[in-house]
Amino acid sequence: SAVISQKPSRDICQRGTSLTIQCQVDSQVTMMFWYRQQPGQSLTLIATANQGSEATYESGFVIDKFPISRPNLTFSTLTVSNMSPEDSSIYLCSVTTGITYEQYFGPGTRLTVT
Amino acid sequence: KQEVTQIPAALSVPEGENLVLNCSFTDSAIYNLQWFRQDPGKGLTSLLLIQSSQREQTSGRLNASLDKSSGRSTLYIAASQPGDSATYLCAVGDRGSTLGRLYFGRGTQLTVWP
Repeated sequence: SAVISQKPSRDICQRGTSLTIQCQVDSQVTMMFWYRQQPGQSLTLIATANQGSEATYESGFVIDKFPISRPNLTFSTLTVSNMSPEDSSIYLCSVTTGITYEQYFGPGTRLTVT
Repeated sequence: KQEVTQIPAALSVPEGENLVLNCSFTDSAIYNLQWFRQDPGKGLTSLLLIQSSQREQTSGRLNASLDKSSGRSTLYIAASQPGDSATYLCAVGDRGSTLGRLYFGRGTQLTVWP
């Protein structure tokens, strides 16, 4: 298993600003994922972040809007840039461990953009 | 693209009832299937993981089955309790180039009343 922490847990931001979300894992993992959960919706994958390579973004998500860093095997950041109210969501990071690829999630960051 | 559907969207039952939550997916070429629990405003807690070669997994009062050929999974909750109230999410693991990537359903919101 893996224990994941995220910072901040929640934030209220103004339109046009940027927020960087941190994800810390208690063990070394190869694959990390960033998801978005809009109000009343299920989870949508933003990107996959593997250490030592560029993040891979899903259709509809671009690096200029959601830049990701993965400096080592236990840490990643997601930045939400030039925010608009439509970016108000819960952002979650997750990791897979072992050959089963069981996935574990952080507690999420609740973002409100005004 | 994999699509995951969960039925019902919401369920309200008295304490003590046995429940079945349903999940269906369109592409049977999966690596695994995971059931999660999400409490309001919180992250996801992994409940059960079923590998593509397995038929079912059990943990306490929970039992999950997988019929890959028909694209279906069920989560059975025995003797439900008010503490089981949460949203239950089904997620299918990709087998292809993005091994580890999950596709989520929209969840079943469960309320168990005393």
